[in-house]
Amino acid sequence: GEDVEQSLFLSVREGDSSVINCTYTDSSSTYLYWYKQEPGAGLQLLTYIFSNMDMKQDQRLTVLLNKKDKHLSLRIADTQTGDSAIYFCAESRMDSSYKLIFGSGTRLLVRP
Amino acid sequence: DGGITQSPKYLFRKEGQNVTLSCEQNLNHDAMYWYRQDPGQGLRLIYYSQIVNDFQKGDIAEGYSVSREKKESFPLTVTSAQKNPTAFYLCASSRAGTGVTGELFFGEGSRLTVL
Repeated sequence: GEDVEQSLFLSVREGDSSVINCTYTDSSSTYLYWYKQEPGAGLQLLTYIFSNMDMKQDQRLTVLLNKKDKHLSLRIADTQTGDSAIYFCAESRMDSSYKLIFGSGTRLLVRP
Repeated sequence: DGGITQSPKYLFRKEGQNVTLSCEQNLNHDAMYWYRQDPGQGLRLIYYSQIVNDFQKGDIAEGYSVSREKKESFPLTVTSAQKNPTAFYLCASSRAGTGVTGELFFGEGSRLTVL
């Protein structure tokens, strides 16, 4: 199937870690991405991982990929109020390099 | 500064009217895209264009039309045939295919409300 699935909402306390999860269905995915959308704005690429990697770390962000289970996660360490946003995972596939398939987005709320 | 500019940011339309959303980029990108965003549904691809004078339908093209006469510009027309046009519309561009880094550069979006 085409679906990329995410839970809709996550609430964490400032300073805690956030973990946003995503599952995808297509084993031919080449790259998987995390985008961030702030209120009323477009999306910005946060990070991406190639499908032959298990983990990628970039400052406070850690991406884990379990290709066997088709599970992708984004961990944000020391979550700040400025991290409150909607986070989208997306995949690109071998057969459609001009199309990204987006999940429905996870709204992260960071409580002070 | 380089980027993507969408206009208008907010637009109200009466039923039965066509409306055109503007998207301009000065990033020298070959590929441009239109997505529709509805609450809780993520982004759905309407049309995309890999090169000037060429474009392809995405997953939800019915009721929409586009043109790509210039590299910098990819306007989207929401026609009266679109049954449920109220949504947030996002334009994006990329250097070429997304397969390498997947970096789409997005505009700030246009919110269309049909009254």
